[in-house]
Amino acid sequence: ELKVEQNPLFLSMQEGKNYTIYCNYSTTSDRLYWYRQDPGKSLESLFVLLSNGAVKQEGRLMASLDTKARLSTLHITAAVHDLSATYFCAVGNYGGSQGNLIFGKGTKLSVKP
Amino acid sequence: DTEVTQTPKHLVMGMTNKKSLKCEQHMGHRAMYWYKQKAKKPPELMFVYSYEKLSINESVPSRFSPECPNSSLLNLHLHALQPEDSALYLCASSQDLKWGNTIYFGEGSWLTVV
Repeated sequence: ELKVEQNPLFLSMQEGKNYTIYCNYSTTSDRLYWYRQDPGKSLESLFVLLSNGAVKQEGRLMASLDTKARLSTLHITAAVHDLSATYFCAVGNYGGSQGNLIFGKGTKLSVKP
Repeated sequence: DTEVTQTPKHLVMGMTNKKSLKCEQHMGHRAMYWYKQKAKKPPELMFVYSYEKLSINESVPSRFSPECPNSSLLNLHLHALQPEDSALYLCASSQDLKWGNTIYFGEGSWLTVV
């Protein structure tokens, strides 16, 4: 059974600082998605990572995937208040069709001035 | 237009009621999904439709009945729900079931069962 663990679950950081959110998963997969969710809102797709060594960057966020370590990271550079949200990683169930995503518990990020 | 539209945004229903949640997309996507998200929990997959046919049913109780009348619409029919079914129900779509396609989520329907 595929299990996805994120850490930390809560992250309070100051503006301008850097930090990394980790996403570990338990079985083979090379399909990793990162989403952002604002309170009371839906999920916004951030990154889709489909191969070992994949790295994608958008603004202050950079995501990477190491399929051998079964690990993805979401790195935040010089955080700003607008990045405050809950971030989910989701892993595709190997052998399953798209849509069969297993989500981590989410990391609630709070960026303070 | 990368929009998935869900109605209603909020629904309160009794345990004996029958109601439906509706989802619509006009992106030409042929895969549509229902997820359930309890408060402060991650989303959990319920159903996947591909080309209007049910592809995945994640052992969802029969009191939830999905329907895909055409490629743009996805319904979730609700009957005899329990209070523990109260949650945010998210509809999503993607171009098809090929891995790597972005999955777009709607704003969700907040369901309260009383």
